[in-house]
Amino acid sequence: AQTVTQSQPEMSVQEAETVTLSCTYDTSESDYYLFWYKQPPSRQMILVIRQEAYKQQNATENRFSVNFQKAAKSFSLKISDSQLGDAAMYFCAYSIQGAQKLVFGQGTRLTINP
Amino acid sequence: DSGVTQTPKHLITATGQRVTLRCSPRSGDLSVYWYQQSLDQGLQFLIHYYNGEERAKGNILERFSAQQFPDLHSELNLSSLELGDSALYFCASSSENQPQHFGDGTRLSIL
Repeated sequence: AQTVTQSQPEMSVQEAETVTLSCTYDTSESDYYLFWYKQPPSRQMILVIRQEAYKQQNATENRFSVNFQKAAKSFSLKISDSQLGDAAMYFCAYSIQGAQKLVFGQGTRLTINP
Repeated sequence: DSGVTQTPKHLITATGQRVTLRCSPRSGDLSVYWYQQSLDQGLQFLIHYYNGEERAKGNILERFSAQQFPDLHSELNLSSLELGDSALYFCASSSENQPQHFGDGTRLSIL
C-alpha cells in the first residue's frame, strides 16, 4: 500500500525567509503524481503544486518549488520569501496515475513569524 | 473559489440519525471524490465516482453510501451516526489526469 510520511508536525519561519517542508512516500509504482496542498485556518484545501513522476524537472509555482528525488522517494516543498498568508497546514499527497485517489500525509503546520 | 460547491457548510445532529451531504463538481469535471478529515485519522479517501459509476472505494464504512447523479452532482449519505463520525467531509472533483480541486467541506458535528 502507498504511504506518505511528513516527519515535521510543525515548522516556523520568519517572514521573508525560506522554509522547506519534507515529505517521503512509499510506492512500487513507476507512474504517479505528487502534490502539495495548503489548508489555511479557513479549512479550504488549496492545491499548491503538482509533480509528475516521469518528469525530472522540479515543478515551480511562483515562490513555491519542489525538490523531487525519485530514487529516494522524497518530495520536499520550498517556500521562498515567506509571507504571513502562507501560514497554514501543508499536506503532501500522492496518487497513482489514472487511479487518482489521493493518499495524504499527516500534515505540517507552518507558522510565519512577523 | 475552486468551483466545487458543498452543502451544507455545517451540520449538527444526534447519534443514530441520518444525514446527506451534497456536492456539485466544477463544470466539465466527471470525477467526484469524497474524503473525511478527522483529528485522529487525518485525511482519508472514502469513494470515487466517475460519470455516475463507482470507480474506487477507500475506508468507507458500511453505514456510509454515495451516488453520483446524471447531472454529475454527488451525495454522501451517512446513517446510524456515531460520535466518531464527527469530522470535516470534503468533496473534490477533477477532469482526466488533472489535479483534484476541493470544495469548502461540510463540518459534521454529532452530539
